[in-house]
Order: sequence, then C-alpha cells, then structure tokens
Amino acid sequence: EPEVTQTPSHQVTQMGQEVILRCVPISNHLYFYWYRQILGQKVEFLVSFYNNEISEKSEIFDDQFSVERPDGSNFTLKIRSTKLEDSAMYFCASSRYLGSNQPQHFGDGTRLSIL
Amino acid sequence: GENVEQHPSTLSVQEGDSAVIKCTYSDSASNYFPWYKQELGKRPQLIIDIRSNVGEKKDQRIAVTLNKTAKHFSLHITETQPEDSAVYFCAASKRDDKIIFGKGTRLHILP
Repeated sequence: EPEVTQTPSHQVTQMGQEVILRCVPISNHLYFYWYRQILGQKVEFLVSFYNNEISEKSEIFDDQFSVERPDGSNFTLKIRSTKLEDSAMYFCASSRYLGSNQPQHFGDGTRLSIL
Repeated sequence: GENVEQHPSTLSVQEGDSAVIKCTYSDSASNYFPWYKQELGKRPQLIIDIRSNVGEKKDQRIAVTLNKTAKHFSLHITETQPEDSAVYFCAASKRDDKIIFGKGTRLHILP
C-alpha cells in the first residue's frame, strides 16, 4: 500500500535557525497538509495546499512558516527562525480528492527538537 | 471557531469489556467524522470513519454512532484486547478538508 513518507524522522536544531521538513505524498494525491502535535497534546492543523497554493492556514501558521512543492513529488514545510515552542511532532498528510471526504493518509512524522 | 471536545481523557477497561469514547463538535457544517488510533511515537492511523448521512457504522469490534441533531459521536470498542491500548482521537471535517482533532483519550486495557 502506498504511504506518505517524511524525512528526517528526527531533527535537532538550534533556536533561531531555519529548518525544512520534507514530505513525499502518495503519488496520485492532489491535496497536501501539515499538522503539528506537541508532546502529549492533540494533533493541530497547520496548513492545506492544493494546485500549488495554500488553501487554508491556521493561526499557528504565521509568517515564520512557509510551504512549497518544489517539484512533482516533494512537499516541504519551512520554519524560518525556530523558537523553543516549535518543538513538536510534525505530520504531513495527503488525500486524493476534496469534497468527497476521502481519508487523509498521514506520514510517520518528523520530531523537531529546538534547543 | 471549530472545536471538537472528547471525553474521557483517560479510560481504563478490563480486558474483554467494552470501551466507549464520546465526542461533540461545534460546527454544524461538519460532515465527516474519522477516528484515529495513535500508538506511542507513531502516526495517527485511521481506524473507522462515519459520514453525516449515516447514523451508525460497524467494523468487527469497532462501531461508531453519530447524532447530528445533538452534534455527538461516539466510538465503541467491544471485547477489548491488550493491543487496543493506545490514544484514540476523534475528529471532524467539513467539505473543505482540514481535520479538527479532539484532545485524545488514553485507553488502558487491564489484564
């Protein structure tokens, strides 16, 4: 069964540094998402992306965050100047269709630790 | 704004007994309700979902019910087994795709 893959599995970064989290969605999926889960808390929506532009973003997704689909397979989340509170598990997800409530498939996540 | 409330936050059940987790949602436009199981350090995995045109759905030992009028939905696990121990998240979604998660229920199956 095809899977969403994320790299790296764990990223340790100094506060203030830039970090890029990478995702390869399932190949025939058209809708892409990033979610965040702070340790012990719920999964929170960050941003959705379709047709090379952001569809919706949450309050968490401020000017320090950006997303990009640089080629036909990768989907990246960039945090420009990391803060301690950015430490969390970041999940990428993708789905095939919109509106027919197709399930979103989640990757294994990247654990981001800000020192 | 959109919100999903989930109860209880922790649930301990004797192996073989049933477990029930309850959720409510605030946005009446929500029409898709997935349930995810998350084991420690792993991705949320979809275990069952229900759409707003259905009141109940069952898959082996797992069942979900939906009351659109009351904006309640529930997960029922029967004949619980040790491997059912995990954190369970209810969630709600509208046509425009983002998923709003509840805070999770940590389910412990006691031997």
